[in-house]
Amino acid sequence: DAGVTQSPTHLIKTRGQQVTLRCSPKSGHDTVSWYQQALGQGPQFIFQYYEEEERQRGNFPDRFSGHQFPNYSSELNVNALLLGDSALYLCASSLGGREGGYTFGSGTRLTVV
Amino acid sequence: AQSVTQLDSQVPVFEEAPVELRCNYSSSVSVYLFWYVQYPNQGLQLLLKYLSGSTLVKGINGFEAEFNKSQTSFHLRKPSVHISDTAEYFCAVIPTNSGYSTLTFGKGTMLLVSP
Repeated sequence: DAGVTQSPTHLIKTRGQQVTLRCSPKSGHDTVSWYQQALGQGPQFIFQYYEEEERQRGNFPDRFSGHQFPNYSSELNVNALLLGDSALYLCASSLGGREGGYTFGSGTRLTVV
Repeated sequence: AQSVTQLDSQVPVFEEAPVELRCNYSSSVSVYLFWYVQYPNQGLQLLLKYLSGSTLVKGINGFEAEFNKSQTSFHLRKPSVHISDTAEYFCAVIPTNSGYSTLTFGKGTMLLVSP
């Protein structure tokens, strides 16, 4: 049973560039959440997608946007990259909601130089 | 809004010793509580969760945690650790009263097990 798959695993971008990260949820899951984990910190919630719509958003600027496709996979886009965007980006999928049925991917390590 | 405080950023222990990782939370509503583990260069893996019922919860790899509502704590314990338990541990909460919601994490505790 495939879990959550994220791609790429690592990438390096230059300040001001744009980046797209991808996530395939666990089979049977319909909800995708994205988290940013800076070095030495806990994951911070970016946004959550359900039925192809952004259902909830954390305290992140509009430079961070996303999309969910009919097959429940998702993309995270970040525009005008800043050095401070360097982090591990985690995707978590679930069926519905809150009782802890979140499965996390291994993350994408983004380095902005 | 919820917040989670993990009182120790790093906990060094010797192999086969017991360990406790502390977690306190703040919330104006009831919450579900979770512990996740993150091994180097990996994502998060669920260790255990408290939803309701018995306040002592057993998880994978011999870990257990006890929910204390009056102290708003959910400390993680293991009676005898192994080298392979070296990892980052995160405590997290979700409010129970929302139709959908997301995890709020603490900053993590690095467990360092040495021989």
